[in-house]
Amino acid sequence: SYVLTQPPSVSVAPGKTARITCGGNNIGSKSVHWYQQKPGQAPVLVIYYDSDRPSGIPERFSGSNSGNTATLTISRVEAGDEADYYCQVWDSSSDHAVFGGGTQLTVL
Amino acid sequence: EVQLVESGGGLVKPGGSLRLSCAASGFTFSSYSMNWVRQAPGKGLEWVSSISSSSSYIYYADSVKGRFTISRDNAKNSLYLQMNSLRAEDTAVYYCARSDLTGDGAFDIWGQGTMVTVSS
Repeated sequence: SYVLTQPPSVSVAPGKTARITCGGNNIGSKSVHWYQQKPGQAPVLVIYYDSDRPSGIPERFSGSNSGNTATLTISRVEAGDEADYYCQVWDSSSDHAVFGGGTQLTVL
Repeated sequence: EVQLVESGGGLVKPGGSLRLSCAASGFTFSSYSMNWVRQAPGKGLEWVSSISSSSSYIYYADSVKGRFTISRDNAKNSLYLQMNSLRAEDTAVYYCARSDLTGDGAFDIWGQGTMVTVSS
C-alpha cells in the first residue's frame, strides 16, 4: 500500500517560514491535498491539487509537489497557525485515499 | 451555509452495530462524492470509505471492508455508514467530508464529527 511520510513535528519562530514535507514514492505524479487541524476541531482544507488555495485561506499558505516530496510552506508564521497538518493523496493502484501521519507545527 | 452534520455515534459493545448519518445542507448534495474519515483518540486521520455522487463507485479501507457499508440518499441529502462487527480499534471520531471527485478530489468540507466508542 502507498505510504506518505511526514515529520512528526516542526518548530518555527513567529514571522519566519515553516516548511512541512510529505514524502511518497513518485508523489509528484499524484495530486496532493493538505489539511490543518486545530485541537478539538475538524480538519480544514488549506491546499488542494498540490498548490491551489481554497477561498478564505491566507496567501501565506502555499504548496509544491515534485519527485518524491510534496511541501506545504507557511510564510510569516503566526501563533494562530499552530496546528496539526496532514497531507493526503488518492492511490489509484488500490483505490484508497491515504493520509500522512501528520505534522505538529509549533510556533515558538 | 454549506454544512455537514454527523449523528449516530455512541457507546457500543464489541461485535455490535451502529449506523452513522451525515446530513448535508447548503449545496447540491447529489453533485458531490462523499467520504468517511476517522480519527482514533490522539492519533492521525484515517480514510474509511468513499462513495461517488450516484453511488456507482464505492471504496473501502482494508481495515473496514466487509464490516462497514457506505450509502447515500440523494433525495434526503444524507450519507450513511453502517458499521457491523465493531472492534475496539474502531473507536474514533468519525467525520463525513465532501469531495468534488471520487478519487483525486480534495475533502473540502468536513462535519464536526461523531464519537464512536467500542467497549465492553
